[in-house]
Amino acid sequence: QQPVQSPQAVILREGEDAVINCSSSKALYSVHWYRQKHGEAPVFLMILLKGGEQKGHDKISASFNEKKQQSSLYLTASQLSYSGTYFCGTEDAAAGNKLTFGGGTRVLVKP
Amino acid sequence: GAVVSQHPSWVICKSGTSVKIECRSLDFQATTMFWYRQFPKQSLMLMATSNEGSKATYEQGVEKDKFLINHASLTLSTLTVTSAHPEDSSFYICSAWDSNTDTQYFGPGTRLTVL
Repeated sequence: QQPVQSPQAVILREGEDAVINCSSSKALYSVHWYRQKHGEAPVFLMILLKGGEQKGHDKISASFNEKKQQSSLYLTASQLSYSGTYFCGTEDAAAGNKLTFGGGTRVLVKP
Repeated sequence: GAVVSQHPSWVICKSGTSVKIECRSLDFQATTMFWYRQFPKQSLMLMATSNEGSKATYEQGVEKDKFLINHASLTLSTLTVTSAHPEDSSFYICSAWDSNTDTQYFGPGTRLTVL
C-alpha cells in the first residue's frame, strides 16, 4: 500500500520553511526521500534507516519516527532551487530493497 | 551520488512496433534494478524488479509478455515494450540499487510516445 504524503502541494516565498509528511500503514525498515524536477528523473536526497534518525542535506533535513511509521522532510530557509516534487519511498521488512512511493508533494518556491 | 544512464531519452514509434530501453549503472554494480512508469503529475509506479541472472519479478497487473525485461550483466538491464500501443505512451524510469549505500539511484528516464 502506498504511503500517504501531505500536503499535496505547497507554495513558499524564498526563505520560508515547510514540512512534508510521509505516513505508512506498514512497519518500515527505511525511508528514502527524492526530489523530482519537471521532465527529469528523481534525485536522491537522503535515507533514514533507524527510528529516531535525523539527517540533513544542505538546509533540507528529515526525521524518522519508527513507532508512528512516519517520516518528515523539513525545508528550511527555502531557496528557488528547492522547487520540485518531493517523493518519499518506503521500504518494509519484506520488501527486499523495493520501494513504494508516496503520491508526491509539489513545492513551488517563489522569489 | 552514483550515476545511472538510460537510453534513449525519448522515442516515438508507430503502433505495433517494439521499443527497447537500456538502463546502465555507470560507477557501481547493481544486482537489482527496477523499472517504473510515471504518468504526468503522478507518482512512480513500480512495474518490475530486474534481477541479474534470473527472471524479473513483475508487479500485479503488469503483463510480463508485453514488458520484457533482461538483466544480462551487473551494469545493464533492458526493458522492451512489445507491440506498443498509444496507451503505452508514458515516462519510463529505471533505477539501480547500490548495495554499498542501500540506495536506489534513478536514470534520467525515457519518454515513449506511441502514435
